[in-house]
Amino acid sequence: ELKVEQNPLFLSMQEGKNYTIYCNYSTTSDRLYWYRQDPGKSLESLFVLLSNGAVKQEGRLMASLDTKARLSTLHITAAVHDLSATYFCAVANPGGTSYGKLTFGQGTILTVHP
Amino acid sequence: DAGITQSPRHKVTETGTPVTLRCHQTENHRYMYWYRQDPGHGLRLIHYSYGVKDTDKGEVSDGYSVSRSKTEDFLLTLESATSSQTSVYFCATGSNYGYTFGSGTRLTVV
Repeated sequence: ELKVEQNPLFLSMQEGKNYTIYCNYSTTSDRLYWYRQDPGKSLESLFVLLSNGAVKQEGRLMASLDTKARLSTLHITAAVHDLSATYFCAVANPGGTSYGKLTFGQGTILTVHP
Repeated sequence: DAGITQSPRHKVTETGTPVTLRCHQTENHRYMYWYRQDPGHGLRLIHYSYGVKDTDKGEVSDGYSVSRSKTEDFLLTLESATSSQTSVYFCATGSNYGYTFGSGTRLTVV
């Protein structure tokens, strides 16, 4: 059974600081996703990582994937208030009959304050 | 997202009553999913569908059933709602290009 764990679950940051959210998963998979969710809203896709060593960046967010360590990171650079949200990683279940099922981490609630 | 519509957006129901949530997609995606979101648990898969009339259970399927009679519609039914089913429910579709999530249905069982 695929398990996905994020840490930290709560992150309070000062504006301008850097921090990293970690996502560990238990079973080999070929796809990892990062999503953002604002309160009361749906999930917004941030990144999809498909291969070992993949790195993607968008603005102040950078995601990376190490499939050997079964670890993905979401790095936040020089945080701003607009980044306050909940961030989820999700891993595609492996295997031919997985039908694209995703297993999610618990989510990291990020709050950026002055 | 414009490609997926969930209805209703909010619902309050009484314990023991049946409830049906609807997910409608215009993407013609084969795969559809129902997740529930609860604090501290992320999103957990309830049921999924890999084609018309082809459905299967996810990790938290007890107390839920689904039906998919057309590609575009995926229904989630709570046969007899319980307070533990108070949650936010998200429908999603999947394709080779990724996943699209609906806006969610906030269900409260009192």
